[in-house]
Amino acid sequence: QKEVEQDPGPLSVPEGAIVSLNCTYSNSAFQYFMWYRQYSRKGPELLMYTYSSGNKEDGRFTAQVDKSSKYISLFIRDSQPSDSATYLCAMRFQGAQKLVFGQGTRLTINP
Amino acid sequence: DADVTQTPRNRITKTGKRIMLECSQTKGHDRMYWYRQDPGLGLRLIYYSFDVKDINKGEISDGYSVSRQAQAKFSLSLESAIPNQTALYFCATSDLQVSSYNEQFFGPGTRLTVL
Repeated sequence: QKEVEQDPGPLSVPEGAIVSLNCTYSNSAFQYFMWYRQYSRKGPELLMYTYSSGNKEDGRFTAQVDKSSKYISLFIRDSQPSDSATYLCAMRFQGAQKLVFGQGTRLTINP
Repeated sequence: DADVTQTPRNRITKTGKRIMLECSQTKGHDRMYWYRQDPGLGLRLIYYSFDVKDINKGEISDGYSVSRQAQAKFSLSLESAIPNQTALYFCATSDLQVSSYNEQFFGPGTRLTVL
């Protein structure tokens, strides 16, 4: 079993829809949770991060961590075609330097 | 100018050839990483380095070697390339002094094909 599981999709939704992307993890010691966005032919870029549990909102994006369920989510409201990309979750332990990535979910927003 | 650059961007080679992928950064970060990305497998860590004298193996280091020539340069070598090393390779940097959550900054990637 992978430490971090993410449905690779692909996921295709119409413009304006609410998108929910999710990752599950097996190790309860993870403390830092991140979402990276990767456009085609580009390297990943950090989109959002949270520490421990709770929610964090940034514009149309909300990151949510449920440590009791070992489950993290990224919500995109009012999705736009420019949100079409691969979204990777990543996490690390307190005091560790390495990130553990999910497989990435390929998202397409259709105009 | 890009903060993290990788050369070459694309490379096609043959089985058994030695290949070097290069990474340079102008961010002044001390930590550098090499990942490979395969469809359905996400990003997997090959090697990482916390400074010029510190090199560490990642989860899939077999068949690869690295050299940290300077704080700003980190190269990845495939001594004898094989077809299952065909993948997208990314270099990344980070600095724990700047980011407590160890945000990593990625280069544009090198697409390597081994025939």
